[in-house]
Amino acid sequence: IAGITQAPTSQILAAGRRMTLRCTQDMRHNAMYWYRQDLGLGLRLIHYSNTAGTTGKGEVPDGYSVSRANTDDFPLTLASAVPSQTSVYFCASSDSRGGHNEQFFGPGTRLTVL
Amino acid sequence: GQNIDQPTEMTATEGAIVQINCTYQTSGFNGLFWYQQHAGEAPTFLSYNVLDGLEEKGRFSSFLSRSKGYSYLLLKELQMKDSASYLCAVRDGDYKLSFGAGTTVTVRA
Repeated sequence: IAGITQAPTSQILAAGRRMTLRCTQDMRHNAMYWYRQDLGLGLRLIHYSNTAGTTGKGEVPDGYSVSRANTDDFPLTLASAVPSQTSVYFCASSDSRGGHNEQFFGPGTRLTVL
Repeated sequence: GQNIDQPTEMTATEGAIVQINCTYQTSGFNGLFWYQQHAGEAPTFLSYNVLDGLEEKGRFSSFLSRSKGYSYLLLKELQMKDSASYLCAVRDGDYKLSFGAGTTVTVRA
């Protein structure tokens, strides 16, 4: 693969269930990010990781957790899903060590919580 | 925090020029990005400005004025495939991006 992948592509989930969204990149980027995108609100940062082993909270972290055990993977977990977490979730990565450091985005996961 | 404003929608004719404005108020500034996002797809990088002035890349140009907290994206010789949302994003000193809500551009024949 080349770039950044996410799984699943879409998911319908019952409220109260636990769900992990997967994200993998093969560009050896040090930084990774999780966003949610809602109509009229744009992309909002949930959590981020500047390097393997470290994570930080973004603008809307409540109800979500992340881990960064290695460079390539950055899973996002919803411990107990609620309907307000219905959204499109994008994972992104960047190399903050030089250049523009633009973020590259995965294809997204469309999540519906009922 | 960051406050980033851009128009919600714009419509233009094929072959024309469209300018998308973005104003921002931020607690820190380390560059401004423009992304393109087609419906149902991921955002893709278009341009980056960190110094004042104009950056040109083919049919697309981006301008930045840091003192005014202002940027614009100029799309020339519009094509039908340019119909998409255009996202303005400001990066803070910790390499985190804050995005505007996006401007949906519709190109008509």
